[in-house]
Amino acid sequence: GDSVTQTEGLVTLTEGLPVMLNCTYQSTYSPFLFWYVQHLNEAPKLLLKSFTDNKRPEHQGFHATLHKSSSSFHLQKSSAQLSDSALYYCALSYSGGSNAKLTFGKGTKLSVKS
Amino acid sequence: GPKVLQIPSHQIIDMGQMVTLNCDPVSNHLYFYWYKQILGQQMEFLVNFYNGKVMEKSKLFKDQFSVERPDGSYFTLKIQPTALEDSAVYFCASTPGQGSQNTLYFGAGTRLSVL
Repeated sequence: GDSVTQTEGLVTLTEGLPVMLNCTYQSTYSPFLFWYVQHLNEAPKLLLKSFTDNKRPEHQGFHATLHKSSSSFHLQKSSAQLSDSALYYCALSYSGGSNAKLTFGKGTKLSVKS
Repeated sequence: GPKVLQIPSHQIIDMGQMVTLNCDPVSNHLYFYWYKQILGQQMEFLVNFYNGKVMEKSKLFKDQFSVERPDGSYFTLKIQPTALEDSAVYFCASTPGQGSQNTLYFGAGTRLSVL
């Protein structure tokens, strides 16, 4: 079946350093990939979504590139900010829309310190 | 931005009792979902719902589970009776329609503790 594997547990960074959270996947077909971010006591929110035309999605300084050859969709940011501290989920689906049944990874907690 | 509200944020219930988890989806959304997250595990799809019907459900959606959205009010997940393994955070989500341009909007979750 489908699965998503993320960097496990907690990643701690100093403000200003680059961020890279790993995400690899296994799927039967060619999926859409997503990154969701969940701040403490808030709802998970969409951060990035892969495009069908291989453009690199970017939002709030974060970007991710879908590499089909390595089945990866790593999340990157050049310079971490304190406000980036949150739980990050990588997920996949076969539809970008309403019947999208998302398969999630376990999540990676990012803690950015000054 | 659009918000999905889940009420309550935490519910404690004795095993065997019935529980109803409430979700107030984004007002113009048509498709609704429940996901379950056991502590330390990933969020897993339970069910999606459209036009008054269950469209798809996973093996986690046991016979004791049911969903409904009577008259456009709350989208609810009912568990009757509850079991210890139902303890988890339940996330509601909604989206306006089909197509890759639509985003799934989640609520902040209801933590259900079955004692």
